[in-house]
Amino acid sequence: DARVTQTPRHKVTEMGQEVTMRCQPILGHNTVFWYRQTMMQGLELLAYFRNRAPLDDSGMPKDRFSAEMPDATLATLKIQPSEPRDSAVYFCASGSRGPHTGELFFGEGSRLTVL
Amino acid sequence: SQQGEEDPQALSIQEGENATMNCSYKTSINNLQWYRQNSGRGLVHLILIRSNEREKHSGRLRVTLDTSKKSSSLLITASRAADTASYFCATASSGTYKYIFGTGTRLKVLA
Repeated sequence: DARVTQTPRHKVTEMGQEVTMRCQPILGHNTVFWYRQTMMQGLELLAYFRNRAPLDDSGMPKDRFSAEMPDATLATLKIQPSEPRDSAVYFCASGSRGPHTGELFFGEGSRLTVL
Repeated sequence: SQQGEEDPQALSIQEGENATMNCSYKTSINNLQWYRQNSGRGLVHLILIRSNEREKHSGRLRVTLDTSKKSSSLLITASRAADTASYFCATASSGTYKYIFGTGTRLKVLA
């Protein structure tokens, strides 16, 4: 049963600490998205990749956030240093088709709490 | 800024009734998708409608798309308690993969 896997599922950390979230997209999917969900802002697109290349990261605070795809089976989202306002659920999603037809498959999310 | 806005923000109905949610968006699109999110879970794809389609059905779901008004509606017929969830529309501007989600409609179906 193919699915997107995210780790960790929950993370509590203190302000100033580095946080790394990982995502394993569905095998064969070549488009990967990172979203952040909060009650106030809803679902925000942070960054997305196509064939491991970043296509758009305009939704991401550049000074503290970074997103990479070291290989086709791993996407990472790093926050350094973390701040309380980063507390949210971070979702990874992957897809395999073009913009005309593609549905996205979401992971279960990483719930981050920054104290 | 978000591409889509859902209306209403929240909806509470009795089991067996129909639920209608609306989505408005801002730019030309290739397709519009609807997703469902149960509390504490990831989003699950429900249905995709292409920009050249006006209506699409899938089981108890009916989706319409009006590109002239830049709006879509999702109808769930004969709702069940298990349909309780948040529903989101998602669009990407033509030619891009940049899928933006709306604000969502929280649906509560009372047994």
